[in-house]
Amino acid sequence: QKEVEQDPGPLSVPEGAIVSLNCTYSNSAFQYFMWYRQYSRKGPELLMYTYSSGNKEDGRFTAQVDKSSKYISLFIRDSQPSDSATYLCAGRHTDKLIFGTGTRLQVFP
Amino acid sequence: NAGVTQTPKFQVLKTGQSMTLQCAQDMNHEYMSWYRQDPGMGLRLIHYSVGAGITDQGEVPNGYNVSRSTTEDFPLRLLSAAPSQTSVYFCASSYSMGETQYFGPGTRLLVL
Repeated sequence: QKEVEQDPGPLSVPEGAIVSLNCTYSNSAFQYFMWYRQYSRKGPELLMYTYSSGNKEDGRFTAQVDKSSKYISLFIRDSQPSDSATYLCAGRHTDKLIFGTGTRLQVFP
Repeated sequence: NAGVTQTPKFQVLKTGQSMTLQCAQDMNHEYMSWYRQDPGMGLRLIHYSVGAGITDQGEVPNGYNVSRSTTEDFPLRLLSAAPSQTSVYFCASSYSMGETQYFGPGTRLLVL
């Protein structure tokens, strides 16, 4: 079993939709969780960084962590075509950063 | 401030050839790392360095060597390329281990 599992998609939504991207993880030692966005043929860039359970909001993006169910989510409100990318979740404990395989999101006008 | 730069952007090798993927950062980051990204496998850590002169293995180190003679540079060497090393390689850096990592644009490698 992979330590971080993520549905590869693609997830296709119309512009303006609310998008929910999800990951599950198996390692209880994870302390921090991250979401990276990766545009086609580019390197990943950090989008959100959360510690412990709860929500963190940044503009149209909300990251949610539920440690009891080992579930992490990224919500995108009012999605835009420019949000079309692959979204990678990651969990970190001590010096290990484990990535999910990424979910490809397509937002069409 | 260029951030993390990688060269070349794309490379084709024949089985058995060797080559070096270059990575440089101008942010004075101590921590640097190399990942490979394959379909369905996500990003996997190859090697990392916590400072000049210090390197260590990641999840998939076999077939790769690294060295860190300066803070800025962290080259990745393929000793004898194999088709299984066909992948996209990303270099990343951060102030310290565990902090936010900044990724380079990647090197696409095809081994025939």
